[in-house]
Amino acid sequence: AQKVTQAQTEISVVEKEDVTLDCVYETRDTTYYLFWYKQPPSGELVFLIRRNSFDEQNEISGRYSWNFQKSTSSFNFTITASQVVDSAVYFCALSDRAMDSNYQLIWGAGTKLIIKP
Amino acid sequence: DSGVTQTPKHLITATGQRVTLRCSPRSGDLSVYWYQQSLDQGLQFLIQYYNGEERAKGNILERFSAQQFPDLHSELNLSSLELGDSALYFCASSLQAQNTEAFFGQGTRLTVV
Repeated sequence: AQKVTQAQTEISVVEKEDVTLDCVYETRDTTYYLFWYKQPPSGELVFLIRRNSFDEQNEISGRYSWNFQKSTSSFNFTITASQVVDSAVYFCALSDRAMDSNYQLIWGAGTKLIIKP
Repeated sequence: DSGVTQTPKHLITATGQRVTLRCSPRSGDLSVYWYQQSLDQGLQFLIQYYNGEERAKGNILERFSAQQFPDLHSELNLSSLELGDSALYFCASSLQAQNTEAFFGQGTRLTVV
């Protein structure tokens, strides 16, 4: 069955430090999608990135970067030079066809990131 | 702004009552998804509608139901409410039936007292 594991429940760092959030997934499908979402204290879910299983290129967007490695079934997220505004809960999610051939999002438990000034 | 609109933002109601949550998808999106986020269960998929028809069902209780209207907005009906139904309910939408890219509304925070 599909599964997403975010082993880090909570991470606390001081502003300007780099921080990496881990995500490990399980799927038997060869075609799947991986996502990261940010949930700030206000509660909304903010889409950060989507990756399909055929594109293993790492991506950088400003201070954010993502490392997708199929060999280890991981899709890790790094924030460089963290800022207080990065404080949020971050969710990794997987979408594959395991559920009745429909792609549905399977969520990790989330990692609470605290950036201290 | 994701383009997905949910109303109301907050709802407080008593046990045993019934409430309706509303979702307007992004312009052009045909699929609507409902998710529940509770402290003990995390984020869970409830149900999906595509172009007015039920497409997929997740962990949705029998006391809950949903529908998608011809204008593609959707409503989630929660009845015989229990304390444990207190949660954040999210709606998401996508263009296609397959959830390979979904944008979320701001959520409705339901508190059952």
